[in-house]
Amino acid sequence: TQLLEQSPQFLSIQEGENLTVYCNSSSVFSSLQWYRQEPGEGPVLLVTVVTGGEVKKLKRLTFQFGDARKDSSLHITAAQPGDTGLYLCAGRNTGTASKLTFGTGTRLQVTL
Amino acid sequence: SQTIHQWPATLVQPVGSPLSLECTVEGTSNPNLYWYRQAAGRGLQLLFYSVGIGQISSEVPQNLSASRPQDRQFILSSKKLLLSDSGFYLCAWSSTGIGGYTFGSGTRLTVV
Repeated sequence: TQLLEQSPQFLSIQEGENLTVYCNSSSVFSSLQWYRQEPGEGPVLLVTVVTGGEVKKLKRLTFQFGDARKDSSLHITAAQPGDTGLYLCAGRNTGTASKLTFGTGTRLQVTL
Repeated sequence: SQTIHQWPATLVQPVGSPLSLECTVEGTSNPNLYWYRQAAGRGLQLLFYSVGIGQISSEVPQNLSASRPQDRQFILSSKKLLLSDSGFYLCAWSSTGIGGYTFGSGTRLTVV
C-alpha cells in the first residue's frame, strides 16, 4: 500500500509570511500532484510534476518534486488570506486505472 | 470543455435506508471514473474506480457498491446505510496517464 504523509497537518500564519508544506512517501510515483480544497467543495488541481528534481512555479507557489520521485514540497511566498484551504498532495502511477493516492492533507489558515 | 456534475449536494438519511449518488461527466469520452470518501478535513480514500462501462473495481470492503451504466455516468449505492457511512463523497474523472483529476463538488452525507 502506497502512503503519502504530509507535514505539518495544520498551519496558522499571518498574511505576508512564507511557508512550506512537505509530502513524503516510501514509494516512487510517476507524477505528483498538488490540490487545494475549499470547505464543502471538491479539490482543485494546482500542479502536476513529473520529472525528478523538477521545480514549477505558479505565481507565489513553488512546487518541487524530489530527485527520487518519492517526495515533494510546496512553498508559498508572502501568504495571503486567499491561500487558506486544505492542501493535498497526490501520487499517481501509469496504468489503465492510473489511480491517485492522496496525502493526509495540510490545513492552512492565513489571517490578516 | 469537460464538466462533471455530482448530486445531491447534501443528504440526510436514516440508518437502514438506501442510497444513490449520481455523477455525470460531459465533454469527454471513455473517462476513468472514481468515487472517494473524505473524513473531515483530511485526505481522500478511494472507494471505487471504473475504466469502462460495467467495469467496477472496489478498493475497500464496505457497505457500498458502484455501477457505471453509461460511459459518462457513475453511481454510488447502498441498500442499507450505516452510521459509519456518513462523510463527504467525491466523484472524479481523469484520462489515462499521469495527468490530474477533475472533481465534482461533492455530496455531504449524514446518516442519522
